[in-house]
Amino acid sequence: AQRVTQPEKLLSVFKGAPVELKCNYSYSGSPELFWYVQYSRQRLQLLLRHISRESIKGFTADLNKGETSFHLKKPFAQEEDSAMYYCALGLTGGTSYGKLTFGQGTILTVHP
Amino acid sequence: ETGVTQSPTHLIKTRGQQVTLRCSSQSGHNTVSWYQQALGQGPQFIFQYYREEENGRGNFPPRFSGLQFPNYSSELNVNALELDDSALYLCASSLQGSEKLFFGSGTQLSVL
Repeated sequence: AQRVTQPEKLLSVFKGAPVELKCNYSYSGSPELFWYVQYSRQRLQLLLRHISRESIKGFTADLNKGETSFHLKKPFAQEEDSAMYYCALGLTGGTSYGKLTFGQGTILTVHP
Repeated sequence: ETGVTQSPTHLIKTRGQQVTLRCSSQSGHNTVSWYQQALGQGPQFIFQYYREEENGRGNFPPRFSGLQFPNYSSELNVNALELDDSALYLCASSLQGSEKLFFGSGTQLSVL
């Protein structure tokens, strides 16, 4: 069975400091990993996906299959990054898309 | 282009009653996934609908059922409500074969 663990419920940093939100997963197959974000009073939205290897709003995440991790990183945090962040695991394959296993989420607060 | 809309936004029911939640998918999206988010937890996959048929189900009992209509909108029905069904119910639409989900704002269900 799939499982996603986000060990930190709360994370506080100061503006300009580096930030890392941790995510570990367990899955026996080949995973698809995502980070979703929910800003205050907004909907849950996709931030980035590992397969794209993209950087969105300065955030990056590398899939480490050896450590079964997909940590989200940003070198210089901004106040507008304050939000709830969810790591999510999906299954590969056309009809499997959309069936995600989410972690419990990490609330990131960036102080001025 | 309209986003995912859910109705109602809030609902209060008593134990044993039945409830129907509604979701209109984003324009052009043919797949709808439903998630349950209990307080302090990440969203949990309930089921997905594609071409008006259930296309995968999470670990939820049969009293959770759904429908998808020809216009791709969807309903989530819950029978014999229990106190633990109190949660935020999220609908997400996507194109089949795409891993990018677009979420609605959710329906907050309270069971008393």
